[in-house]
Parts: sequence; structure tokens; C-alpha cells
Amino acid sequence: GIQVEQSPPDLILQEGANSTLRCNFSDSVNNLQWFHQNPWGQLINLFYIPSGTKQNGRLSATTVATERYSLLYISSSQTTDSGVYFCADHAGGAQKLVFGQGTRLTINP
Amino acid sequence: DAGVTQSPTHLIKTRGQHVTLRCSPISGHKSVSWYQQVLGQGPQFIFQYYEKEERGRGNFPDRFSARQFPNYSSELNVNALLLGDSALYLCASSLGLGFGSHSGANVLTFGAGSRLTVL
Repeated sequence: GIQVEQSPPDLILQEGANSTLRCNFSDSVNNLQWFHQNPWGQLINLFYIPSGTKQNGRLSATTVATERYSLLYISSSQTTDSGVYFCADHAGGAQKLVFGQGTRLTINP
Repeated sequence: DAGVTQSPTHLIKTRGQHVTLRCSPISGHKSVSWYQQVLGQGPQFIFQYYEKEERGRGNFPDRFSARQFPNYSSELNVNALLLGDSALYLCASSLGLGFGSHSGANVLTFGAGSRLTVL
């Protein structure tokens, strides 16, 4: 089945810094999604981005489907950006999202 | 509009017991999926139901079962609980089934989860 690798596994930054999170896929990208999991466990959908670039405020994402990777950019980080970021892609005919192991982002004040 | 709602939010069980977790999807969503998230890992797919039929099953033992009701809500049942079943159980709903097409209908919206502790 599809394998999803995320990097880096951990990232610690000061407030105001920028960051780039990466997601590599072993197979073709179908319905790539980025999520943020807050400290209480809630998974929030950030982007649905099977290809191209999207922006939402300080966050943007780019997927290069032909090269099987996606990037999540966070600019001017805030402490509320802390948490775990997951990328996931749909595998097969069922609504099965395969998740990466996540990137744990810590933003210090 | 209410998002995906799950109950209970937290529960503690002992080994060998049975547990039922409940999920109500976003209004209009016909697909419900269940995921298990063990501490420190990404969520793992358990089941998907669409229009009350099972459409996908992950690599979980038969102790795990689920069903979807006519109002599209869903239950996840786990029998003969083991310590390793301790996890956050997440429910997600979507408009579409997700047959590989690039469609916003395949976007999953997750509930806040049910945190199960097995002692």
C-alpha cells in the first residue's frame, strides 16, 4: 500500500519564524489533505490539495503530484500553531486516508 | 451547523469488556469512517460506511465491528478489550465515497474523538 513519509519529525521555533513541512508519497497522489491536530486531539482539515498551490492566511500548501510530494508553509508562526501536522492521501476505492507519522511543531513565545 | 459529533469523549474500561462509540456526521454527509490513533502515531483506518453499507475495512481483528444507521450516524463496537486498544478513536464524515476522483466531496471532516483507556 501507499507509504507516506513526513519530515522533519519535530520542529521547535520561536514565534514569528517561518517553517516548511514536507510530505513524500510512495505512489501517485489522489486526494492529498493536510491536517493540524491540536493538543486536545482535534484534527482540523487545513487544505485539500491534490495538485497546485493554495493559500489560507499565513498558511499555504503546494503539491507536486508528478514528483509525489507536498509542502506546507507556515509564515510568521504563532504559539497557537503548535501541535502535530499530518498529511494524508486517499488509497484505493474506499475512503481510506493513509496518514504520515506527523510533524510535531512547537512554537515558543 | 454542527460538525461531526462523537460520544463519549472519554471512557475507561477494563480488559475483556465491551465498548460502543457513537458518531453523528455532518448533516448531508452519507459517508462515515472510523480511525484509531495510538499515542505518537498517525490515525489508522478501521472502517468506512457509505449509505449504510460497509465500503472498506482496515487491518483490525474481528473484535472490531461497526454499523451505520438510516440517519447516517454510526457506532463502532469493540469486544474483548485489550490493553493495546487504548487509543483515541476518531470518526470522520464526507459527502463522497472517494473513488479516486479529485473532488472536494472526498474531504474528510473529523470529530473531536473518543479517548478510550483500557486498564
